[in-house]
Amino acid sequence: QVQLVQSGAEVKKPGASVKVSCKTSGYTFTTYDINWVRQAAGQGLEWMGWVNPNSSNTGYAQKFQGRVTLTRSTSSSTAYMELSGLTSEDTAVYYCGRGRAGATDHWGQGTLVTVSS
Amino acid sequence: DIQMTQSPSTLSASVGDRVIITCRASQSISSWLAWYQQKPGKAPKLLIYRASTLESGVPSRFSGSGSGTEFTLTISSLQPDDFATYYCQQYKSYFPEAFGPGTKVDVK
Repeated sequence: QVQLVQSGAEVKKPGASVKVSCKTSGYTFTTYDINWVRQAAGQGLEWMGWVNPNSSNTGYAQKFQGRVTLTRSTSSSTAYMELSGLTSEDTAVYYCGRGRAGATDHWGQGTLVTVSS
Repeated sequence: DIQMTQSPSTLSASVGDRVIITCRASQSISSWLAWYQQKPGKAPKLLIYRASTLESGVPSRFSGSGSGTEFTLTISSLQPDDFATYYCQQYKSYFPEAFGPGTKVDVK
């Protein structure tokens, strides 16, 4: 079955960077985009960007341009999201998901990133 | 830029009720719309894509309709497992705001 398993919770200081992994299984990794979405506590879903595992092409929400980098490793069927210049406003749960024709049909379990001095 | 709105923001309902949630786009998105259900502490779950296509495994009491700028998600008979927050997402253009603000369905 399709699975996306994310790395564990992170605590970072302001100004630091964080890198979250999303290991996939149960399907051909290069066939579907990987989308990244975040959610602050009690808030809605916020689109961050996508990566095409086949071409490595990416698209980023303007809000995160210059701060977020989406990459992938085809050998390990894993996608990565790195966010730099962290502030307290980046404290959130970060989700990866498999993009199928635009919608996200399978999701990781989420990774809590806490930014605190 | 495409902006998404949802109404209502909160909906109080009882088991067995028919529930309708509306999602509007600021410009036409054709049928490039998905609906998700999210429960506290859990990842979203895809319910509907392409505005009206039911995702595999989703109960048939869920249905979606609409095109262009106005869309609805209908739960024909609300079940205890359906109390959750529902989000619409346009994917004609992912940016800047792909998701609607959400509609929380709680117990009346």
